[in-house]
Amino acid sequence: AQTVTQSQPEMSVQEAETVTLSCTYDTSESNYYLFWYKQPPSRQMILVIRQEAYKQQNATENRFSVNFQKAAKSFSLKISDSQLGDTAMYFCAFMSASGDMRFGAGTRLTVKP
Amino acid sequence: ETGVTQSPTHLIKTRGQQVTLRCSSQSGHNTVSWYQQALGQGPQFIFQYYREEENGRGNFPPRFSGLQFPNYSSELNVNALELDDSALYLCASSLEGTDEQYFGPGTRLTVT
Repeated sequence: AQTVTQSQPEMSVQEAETVTLSCTYDTSESNYYLFWYKQPPSRQMILVIRQEAYKQQNATENRFSVNFQKAAKSFSLKISDSQLGDTAMYFCAFMSASGDMRFGAGTRLTVKP
Repeated sequence: ETGVTQSPTHLIKTRGQQVTLRCSSQSGHNTVSWYQQALGQGPQFIFQYYREEENGRGNFPPRFSGLQFPNYSSELNVNALELDDSALYLCASSLEGTDEQYFGPGTRLTVT
């Protein structure tokens, strides 16, 4: 069974600085998708960034980028120029080819002014 | 806003009762997934429906059941409620052949 591990329960960063959230996963599949979701206090889950496992190039979305290391089964999220609105729970998620999505336990990120 | 809505927002039930939670997907999204998110944890996959048929299930007992309707709405039914069923229940819709899921705001269920 696939498992997703986020080893940092809480992190904080100063506004405008850079922070990296860690995620590792375990799977025997070769074709899958990885995601980072943001869940602010309003609780609606919002997609931040996605990565297809067969693509070697790391995904980037504005201030958000990932470091995808397939062999190491690692998928970290880097947030550059952190903003107060980035304060939220961040979940790493793995989706198999069958559509079954597994989430990590989350990292609570606080951006301090 | 993701275009996915859920009702009700909050719900309080007593142990042993039955509950129905509702989700309205984005128009055209023929796949809906349901998740249970306990306090302080990540969402756990309950099941997925595709074209009104169950298309995958997580490690949840049969008292968790669902329905999907042609109008892109769906229901999650839970029978014989237990205290541990207290959680935020999320639905997420997606389009066939795509991997991106659009989440609703969730229903907070409290079982006393």
